[in-house]
Amino acid sequence: DQQVKQNSPSLSVQEGRISILNCDYTNSMFDYFLWYKKYPAEGPTFLISISSIKDKNEDGRFTVFLNKSAKHLSLHIVPSQPGDSAVYFCAARPTSGTYKYIFGTGTRLKVLA
Amino acid sequence: ETGVTQTPRHLVMGMTNKKSLKCEQHLGHNAMYWYKQSAKKPLELMFVYNFKEQTENNSVPSRFSPECPNSSHLFLHLHTLQPEDSALYLCASSQDYSGVETQYFGPGTRLLVL
Repeated sequence: DQQVKQNSPSLSVQEGRISILNCDYTNSMFDYFLWYKKYPAEGPTFLISISSIKDKNEDGRFTVFLNKSAKHLSLHIVPSQPGDSAVYFCAARPTSGTYKYIFGTGTRLKVLA
Repeated sequence: ETGVTQTPRHLVMGMTNKKSLKCEQHLGHNAMYWYKQSAKKPLELMFVYNFKEQTENNSVPSRFSPECPNSSHLFLHLHTLQPEDSALYLCASSQDYSGVETQYFGPGTRLLVL
């Protein structure tokens, strides 16, 4: 059973508009969440993270929102650029027992020029 | 070379072959990881080495054998694999294995088992 779910396998957005990528989790025992971006033929690269004690973290055009009651995480990209076209993975870390991240299946974002 | 490198980038092997994947990190990190990414599945952690000691083995079959001779190098030895082992194998490293340290990934080895 997947503990971290990205239910939208793909998303297309017009350049300049907002991209919203969503992630749901089932385990309340996650305390740290991350987003990674992956271009073809490259490994994932870290994008932004958020601790469970916060509900928002912003870094330039990228903002991550955390809704703990809904067990929902989202990444907003504003304004979207063609170079943002990639696969985006969310990941969560359990609070105890292990430091390993649990990854979602990814959402492929395509920003149209 | 900078960052995390992996060789080979692509590998095709038969079920009776023995091959090895290599990962090298040039970041001065102390923790290294092997992940497996199958089609339409999430990244799955396989192994973690922290200061050359294996700290995680995520119930990986023994036909996958990791080796970490030093903090900069990580190998994954492959023996009598199955077609379902075909996947993208990603190596990563981080400063240490504390969970809050960002993991830096290599480009991966795409493996096809025939």
